[in-house]
Formats: sequence, C-alpha cells, structure tokens
Amino acid sequence: ILNVEQSPQSLHVQEGDSTNFTCSFPSSNFYALHWYRWETAKSPEALFVMTLNGDEKKKGRISATLNTKEGYSYLYIKGSQPEDSATYLCAPNQAGTALIFGKGTTLSVSS
Amino acid sequence: NAGVMQNPRHLVRRRGQEARLRCSPVKGHSHVYWYRQLPEEGLKFMVYLQKENIIDESGMPKERFSAEFPKEGPSILRIQQVVRGDSAAYFCASSPPGLATLDTQYFGPGTRLTVL
Repeated sequence: ILNVEQSPQSLHVQEGDSTNFTCSFPSSNFYALHWYRWETAKSPEALFVMTLNGDEKKKGRISATLNTKEGYSYLYIKGSQPEDSATYLCAPNQAGTALIFGKGTTLSVSS
Repeated sequence: NAGVMQNPRHLVRRRGQEARLRCSPVKGHSHVYWYRQLPEEGLKFMVYLQKENIIDESGMPKERFSAEFPKEGPSILRIQQVVRGDSAAYFCASSPPGLATLDTQYFGPGTRLTVL
C-alpha cells in the first residue's frame, strides 16, 4: 500500500505571506504525481501533473517541484491571498492507474 | 461544456436499503473513477472503469458494493444493504481516452450518503 504523507496538516498565514507544503511518497515504481486544490463545498480541482525528476510546474502564483529519487514534492504559493484558502492534495501514481491521495494540507489565508 | 455530473447530491437511506449513485462523465471522457471520503479521512480510491469494463476495483469492498459503466448512460455505484459505516461522500471523476495514469481527473461535486 502506497503511503502518502502531507505536511503540515494545516497552516494559517496572513495575506501576502509566501508558503510551501510537502508531499512525501515512496520513490520506488514512481509514475506520476498529481496536485489538486479542494475548496470547501466544491470539487477537487487539478493543479499539476508531474512526471520527471526535477520537474517544476507553475500556474500563476502557485508552483511545484518534484524529486522522484527521494520521493517528495513541494507546492509553493507566493503572496498568499484569501482566495487561496483550500485544502491542497497530492496524489502519486505507482505502476497502475489508481491515484492514492494524501490527507492534504489545509491552508487558511486571512486578510 | 458540462463537467462531471453526479446525482443525487444528497441521499438518505435506512439500514438495509440500497443506494444507487450516478455519475455522468465529461463528454468524450471514457475513464471513470469512484472515490469515497469517510468523515475525518481523505479521498480513498474505490474503482476505475472504462466503458463496459472494470479496470481496477482494488479499493472497493468485496461485499455489497458494485460499479458499472455501461455503453450508454451514466456510471452507477451501487451499495446494497447499506450500513451506518457507509455514510460518506462519494466522488466520481473522469478523464479522457489515453494513458489514464498521466491524465488529469476531473471531479464531480459528490454525493453525500447518510445512512440512518
């Protein structure tokens, strides 16, 4: 069973702060890593799919890096805004198709 | 374009009844996935289907649960003889034809099942 750890579990920052979260996963048989954003009362929304070691993706103020050799990915948010408040989920694939979701990091941004 | 549709959004059943949850994928998508979120837990994979085929059901309980994705119509997750422990939010996701492992999955709004 793939063990996916996300830290911290929750985070509270002030508007304008930059922040980052960690997703750790077993490095063996790695295939891809997905990041999702899940706002309260909405559906999970895809942010990135990452496959290559050293990969870096960016979408606006949000970016992510991937280290497949040591089994971790970082998600960064630059200049946090209240609308960034959500739970951020990572989900690696090993060989096969099932996404194994971590429990997420819940971000709260206050103005 | 319509996203993933799920209905009903809320479903209440008494113990022992059957629950049928429906999922219509994004138009053109041929892969459907079902996930369950139990209270205080994360999303757990249940089953992955393509049209008329179950590809991976490793996350689905062996008894009382079944899923289908017929040639025509929505995907159905069926739970027979529901028990209180089945109370959860059930999410469906879909992805386009291709290499499912690398494709973004698009999630529906979920069905919240409450078993009395």
